[in-house]
Amino acid sequence: GQQLNQSPQSMFIQEGEDVSMNCTSSSIFNTWLWYKQDPGEGPVLLIALYKAGELTSNGRLTAQFGITRKDSFLNISASIPSDVGIYFCAGRNYNNNDMRFGAGTRLTVKP
Amino acid sequence: EAGVAQSPRYKIIEKRQSVAFWCNPISGHATLYWYQQILGQGPKLLIQFQNNGVVDDSQLPKDRFSAERLKGVDSTLKIQPAKLEDSAVYLCASSFLAGQETQYFGPGTRLLVL
Repeated sequence: GQQLNQSPQSMFIQEGEDVSMNCTSSSIFNTWLWYKQDPGEGPVLLIALYKAGELTSNGRLTAQFGITRKDSFLNISASIPSDVGIYFCAGRNYNNNDMRFGAGTRLTVKP
Repeated sequence: EAGVAQSPRYKIIEKRQSVAFWCNPISGHATLYWYQQILGQGPKLLIQFQNNGVVDDSQLPKDRFSAERLKGVDSTLKIQPAKLEDSAVYLCASSFLAGQETQYFGPGTRLLVL
């Protein structure tokens, strides 16, 4: 299946800045997920969203499930060097077992 | 709790050769997934097992890829024969059940086909 449209592709920010990334799809999903992947490791789940309009936080991370069920965004506040990595969105439908990932946003944080 | 284990971590082969990857999921996890992650892309699901049965293999290139989970625990993914475009990271993930359960990923096997 076609991957999700994730943007931006990469970001270079200064430590302490906020960052925002988003994901869109032509298809509706009933779950949106955000993962972080460090070099040489598998993705680690950061936030899971199960309801349209839902806004969920995990520490300095905040994510929202779009009202149309076709998009989601992730915000990171007050970035720190360990936030460096690749962030992936994923949309999932349990009724047809469809799960697709975005191409990722590569985040670089300059101290 | 031990995480998802995968081996080998790296493999270099020539095209037309065969290769196999092994995955041991988290203890007690009934669902096991194999993903292919090509450089610069997100993971793509290849096959999903529930215990020792296949739930979804719609994106598995069955002419060259095969996977099994005979005893419902660890799993093997095989490519025979390999092509250049199979160069990727092969990720294994597991979850307690299917559905909304969190998937836990292993570190992956990085395959280079020359």
